[in-house]
Amino acid sequence: EPEVTQTPSHQVTQMGQEVILRCVPISNHLYFYWYRQILGQKVEFLVSFYNNEISEKSEIFDDQFSVERPDGSNFTLKIRSTKLEDSAMYFCASSEAYGLSNQPQHFGDGTRLSIL
Amino acid sequence: GDSVTQMEGPVTLSEEACLTINCTYTATGYPSLFWYVQYPGEGLQLLLKATKADDKGSNKGFEATYRKETTSFHLEKGSVQVSDSAVYFCALRYNTDKLIFGTGTRLQVFP
Repeated sequence: EPEVTQTPSHQVTQMGQEVILRCVPISNHLYFYWYRQILGQKVEFLVSFYNNEISEKSEIFDDQFSVERPDGSNFTLKIRSTKLEDSAMYFCASSEAYGLSNQPQHFGDGTRLSIL
Repeated sequence: GDSVTQMEGPVTLSEEACLTINCTYTATGYPSLFWYVQYPGEGLQLLLKATKADDKGSNKGFEATYRKETTSFHLEKGSVQVSDSAVYFCALRYNTDKLIFGTGTRLQVFP
């Protein structure tokens, strides 16, 4: 069964450094998402992406965050200057269709980001 | 705003016991409802979904019925196995890109 893959599984970075989290969505999917889960808290939506632009973002997704689809397969989340509170598990997801609330989003296994 | 409330865990059961994990939601309209499961060390997997009132989602012996009158989507299983030990997340999606998740409920099943 096709799956969303994320790399690396664990990233350790010094505060203030830039970090890029990578995702390969399911190949025929067109809609891409990033979520995060701070330890012990809810899974929170960050951003959705379609047709090479952001379609929706949360208040968490400030100017320090950016997303990109640099080629036909990868989808990346960049944090420009990391803060301690960015430490979390980051999940990438993709879905086949848009505008239909019942279309499921398929998630990767996540990247655990630790900021020191 | 829209939100999901789940019962707190952990839920600890013996194998073959009955399971119910409560989930209620608040939404301005009629959302689609989902249960996701996260096994240790893995990502979120869609377990089941329901898109309108009175729909029943089912998968792997788990069931949940979309109850509009009580705004609930409780997860049930008649006989749990050790392999069902995981964290279960209730979520909704309505008129937007984003899934709104509950806090998750950890299920521990012992032989």
